Amino acid sequence: QVQLVQSGAEVKKPGSSVTVSCKTSGGPFSSFPISWVRQAPGQGLEWIGRIIPIVDITNYAQKFQGRVTITADTSTSTAYMELNSLRSEDTAVFYCAREWELLPGYFDYWGQGTLVTVSS
Amino acid sequence: QSVLTQPPSASATPGQRVTISCSGSSSNIGSNYVYWYQQLPGTAPKLLIYRDNQRPSGVPDRFSGSKSGTSASLAISGLRSEDEANYYCAACDDNLSGRDVVFGGGTKLTVL
Repeated sequence: QVQLVQSGAEVKKPGSSVTVSCKTSGGPFSSFPISWVRQAPGQGLEWIGRIIPIVDITNYAQKFQGRVTITADTSTSTAYMELNSLRSEDTAVFYCAREWELLPGYFDYWGQGTLVTVSS
Repeated sequence: QSVLTQPPSASATPGQRVTISCSGSSSNIGSNYVYWYQQLPGTAPKLLIYRDNQRPSGVPDRFSGSKSGTSASLAISGLRSEDEANYYCAACDDNLSGRDVVFGGGTKLTVL
C-alpha cells in the first residue's frame, strides 16, 4: 500500500523559511510526480507545484514562483518543499500528493498534511 | 479568488440526489480533464472522479461526473450522512504552463 508520510507541524516567524518533507513507501517513487497543495484555515485547495523525481523537473504555480523550491531525494524516496519569505497569509496545512504524469491533476495518494503556522 | 467556480454550499436529505457544479473556461475545463475530490473534516482530500467521469476503484457508483463545454458537474445519488464533506473540482489550465492544476473554491455539502 502506497503511503506518504509528512514531517510534523512547524511554527515560523515572518520572513523565515520552512521545509516540509514527504516520505513515500509501498510503491515506485521516481516515476510519479509529487505535487504540493496548500489549504489555508477554512479555505480551499491551492496547487503550489510539483517535481518529477526521475528527471528532476519541477513546475511551480506562478503565484509561488521565486519563493518555493521543490526537491526530491530518490535514495530515500522523499520529496521536500521549501517556502521562503514566510508571511502570516502562508499559515496553512500543506499536503504532498502522488500524481500521475500523464494525468496532471490526478492525485491518488496524499500525505496526512503538515500545519505551518506563521506568527511573530 | 479560485479559477474554477463552485457554489459555496449545497444541501439535501438522505436518499436524495444532489448535483454540484463547477464552472471554468476554454483554457481549463474546456480543454482538459476534470477531477473531483472529497474532503472530510480534518482529513486529506480523496479522489472521487477522474477524466471527467471515471471512478477510481472503491468509489461507489452513487458518485458520477459529467462535463459539457466549460462546465462540469458532480452528482451524488442515494445521499448518505457520511457524504457530508467538502467537494472540490480541479483541472489543468492551458493559460498557465499547461500543467498547472487549478481548483474550485469548494462546495460544502450538508446532509439534512
